[in-house]
Amino acid sequence: QSVLTQPPSVSGAPGQRVTISCTGSSSDIGAPSDVNWYQQFPGTAPKLLIYGNTNRPSGVPDRFSGSKSGTSASLAITGLQAEDEAVYYCQSYGQAYDSSLSGYVFGTGTRVTVL
Amino acid sequence: QVQLVQSGAEVKKPGASVKVSCKASGYSFTRYDMHWVRQAPGQGLEWMGIISPIGGITKYAQKFQGRVIMTRDTSTSTVYMELSSLRSEDTAIYYCAREVTLESGGNNHDTFDIWGLGTMVTVSS
Repeated sequence: QSVLTQPPSVSGAPGQRVTISCTGSSSDIGAPSDVNWYQQFPGTAPKLLIYGNTNRPSGVPDRFSGSKSGTSASLAITGLQAEDEAVYYCQSYGQAYDSSLSGYVFGTGTRVTVL
Repeated sequence: QVQLVQSGAEVKKPGASVKVSCKASGYSFTRYDMHWVRQAPGQGLEWMGIISPIGGITKYAQKFQGRVIMTRDTSTSTVYMELSSLRSEDTAIYYCAREVTLESGGNNHDTFDIWGLGTMVTVSS
């Protein structure tokens, strides 16, 4: 399975807006398959942040938003806060003609730093 | 509350096998598929496979086919992941994650909503 491409890092000052891109292909995001986003703090398990491209689970602040277009997706954080420092992963499903090659794929991960 | 409790850290020699467990509680075990995801030190997340608790049907990532076996015990609400022929590159934290279908705007979306705390597996001679 392929891996979705994300920038290694993004940074911003408190209160600013940052975006994280997630680039896939016509076999995964563009298939089309949903994109989910997870937030991971050091030494902890990932936590669901966005599901179905644009939806926030209960309890996730509305400063987090997701979008998808074609073979790419994005996560935006508006009003950046110090507590948002973490690594963010996108995730989708990769489809193949040979079903044994199909499966879930994750992005390479993006570290968000609050300056 | 809903939680996934994983077994403790393991240290194995190259060529050996390891079996990690993930015990579910707080929900109906057979209603949700379970996935295994691993993360090597300082690296990203890697999907390994999925098991359906109700029938034990599995699907593995191509990379692990022939080397991984996922099983479940419905009497104890536990899923297991066994990885064989271990090598140093298998050193990682292994997570179980529950798959749930969430509805929004009339559409269903599959996602991983609950994760175990992870099990560290170290492969070293």
